[in-house]
Amino acid sequence: DQQVKQNSPSLSVQEGRISILNCDYTNSMFDYFLWYKKYPAEGPTFLISISSIKDKNEDGRFTVFLNKSAKHLSLHIVPSQPGDSAVYFCAASAISGAGSYQLTFGKGTKLSVIP
Amino acid sequence: KAGVTQTPRYLIKTRGQQVTLSCSPISGHRSVSWYQQTPGQGLQFLFEYFSETQRNKGNFPGRFSGRQFSNSRSEMNVSTLELGDSALYLCASTGQDFNEKLFFGSGTQLSVL
Repeated sequence: DQQVKQNSPSLSVQEGRISILNCDYTNSMFDYFLWYKKYPAEGPTFLISISSIKDKNEDGRFTVFLNKSAKHLSLHIVPSQPGDSAVYFCAASAISGAGSYQLTFGKGTKLSVIP
Repeated sequence: KAGVTQTPRYLIKTRGQQVTLSCSPISGHRSVSWYQQTPGQGLQFLFEYFSETQRNKGNFPGRFSGRQFSNSRSEMNVSTLELGDSALYLCASTGQDFNEKLFFGSGTQLSVL
């Protein structure tokens, strides 16, 4: 059972336009959400996060929106740049019984920004 | 500060063999997690260690095991390798505030023939 879903395996966007990456989750215990970016042959790098008590968080060109009632979050990149071409993973965390947090990742969306 | 270091970078093994992967976390980080990435499957959680204790374990068979040393370095072991174990194995470390973010290494690409 996939608790974090990224339904679009790939997305192509023109340079300068907005990229919108979507993520849905099913577990209402998730209380923190993160986006990671991954280039080939490298490990994922943290991009932006949002707590479940907020509905929006901005960091430069990146904005994450959280709709708790719909169990949906999205990442907006404005304006998109060719260097943004990468695989983007949505992740959600919840505290485990052992007191540690475990991240559950989606399968990723490959973003291609066309010059 | 040096990042998370994983060795080796690439490994080729045959079915039935065992393999040990190594991870050195960022200095001062005491939590180390391991993830498996296969094409189209995203990152799947293997286990997490903190101060030499396994605090959390994902849904993987007992052939997958790990440990953490007193200096926070961690190893994971896969015994009796199967073709389906071919994957990128990623290690990540984090400080006290686990929720904030994980810092990932570049991974070990394991190919099982």
